[in-house]
Amino acid sequence: SQQGEEDPQALSIQEGENATMNCSYKTSINNLQWYRQNSGRGLVHLILIRSNEREKHSGRLRVTLDTSKKSSSLLITASRAADTASYFCATHTRKAAGNKLTFGGGTRVLVKP
Amino acid sequence: DAGVIQSPRHEVTEMGQEVTLRCKPISGHNSLFWYRQTMMRGLELLIYFNNNVPIDDSGMPEDRFSAKMPNASFSTLKIQPSEPRDSAVYFCASSNDRDHEETQYFGPGTRLLVL
Repeated sequence: SQQGEEDPQALSIQEGENATMNCSYKTSINNLQWYRQNSGRGLVHLILIRSNEREKHSGRLRVTLDTSKKSSSLLITASRAADTASYFCATHTRKAAGNKLTFGGGTRVLVKP
Repeated sequence: DAGVIQSPRHEVTEMGQEVTLRCKPISGHNSLFWYRQTMMRGLELLIYFNNNVPIDDSGMPEDRFSAKMPNASFSTLKIQPSEPRDSAVYFCASSNDRDHEETQYFGPGTRLLVL
């Protein structure tokens, strides 16, 4: 089974609205990362939050981490049509050698103009 | 920097043929990852290298798949013989763990179709 599971699997919103997606994981982590994938492209790193952090901001992105619940959320504020993409969470575990990440199944976000 | 470079970008082949995918990581990165992405199975890690040494190949589906990293700037993923179920997008990614940077940088992927 996957370490990270995103919820919901798909999300459709109007431009200007906020989009929230969640990620749950099973084992202790070193950090959790969010990536975006536009259709037909490779994944692009968005933001990293370490296990000792609770919240992080980057532009219109806000990430929270609750290690007691083993969950994270990604909030995109004031969404734009260009935010249409799939979003993946990825966990970096302490046992991992090098920088191995375990990716979830992703949330497909559609922002309608 | 040009980013992670993959070739070919698209490959169409017939069942039973050998397929070789190529990857050039970002200069200075010492970890390289091969992933496969399909609608059914999502993004799967196949194998990763650290300092050119394979660390974890537990995701490699079977003996038909092999990967090499002869030097720090080049890696190949080979499928021999290919089967229709190997059709997927194959991504290569690299990262640099020397500076405690833990993000991965993905290439554009190779779309493989096995007929």
